[in-house]
Amino acid sequence: QSALTQPASVSGSPGQSITISCTGTSSDVGSYNLVSWYQLHPGKTPKVLIFEIRKRPSGVSNRFSGSKSGNTASLTISGLQAEDEADYYCCSYAGSSTVVFGGGTKLTVL
Amino acid sequence: QLQLQESGPGLVKASETLTLTCTVSGGSVSTYSYYWGWIRQPPGKGLEWIGNILYSGTTYSNPSLNSRVTISVDTSKNHFSLRLSSVTAADSAVYYCARPQSSSWVFDYWGQGTLVTVSS
Repeated sequence: QSALTQPASVSGSPGQSITISCTGTSSDVGSYNLVSWYQLHPGKTPKVLIFEIRKRPSGVSNRFSGSKSGNTASLTISGLQAEDEADYYCCSYAGSSTVVFGGGTKLTVL
Repeated sequence: QLQLQESGPGLVKASETLTLTCTVSGGSVSTYSYYWGWIRQPPGKGLEWIGNILYSGTTYSNPSLNSRVTISVDTSKNHFSLRLSSVTAADSAVYYCARPQSSSWVFDYWGQGTLVTVSS
């Protein structure tokens, strides 16, 4: 079970859009529409942004959206805001009641 | 509204066993179909899934930690526990307990996290 692959860092200016990719294999991302995305601010509890590829929990801004193609899932943040600066992690179901996380991506808002 | 709270020692000696407990309030650990999980984040590194336990006691763990991990549930105390044996400095991390939804596998409830440092 290897960690899903995410870019180590991405950046964007306020108002712009950015996309974070999350690449797995045919045993995890490619086999299940069960990818979730989490936002981590230092010292705070992880926050769910997206589940089941593209669904948003109540209260999460529609500036966050998710998609998947093959073995790669993506998180897009539109209309970047300073408060979006954080670490982002994807997570996929990998069968047999197991999950795997991505390595994490640090988003810098310029 | 579920609430989870980790507890346990913040310092563990190398080669010993790390034991953490997650107390659940606002719900029961024995609720049919519920899973409970442990996740950790070493300093400066990413999240790592440690393992899950089903309400019935069946456990699933990360193959990279498999032989060192024991997860159990105590319905009388409404908590579940993690034991990680033969710890090394690499096991120093913030440990989170969380609830993965069995249908969507999203971790929708999290504890605050507890920092565990392994000392030599």
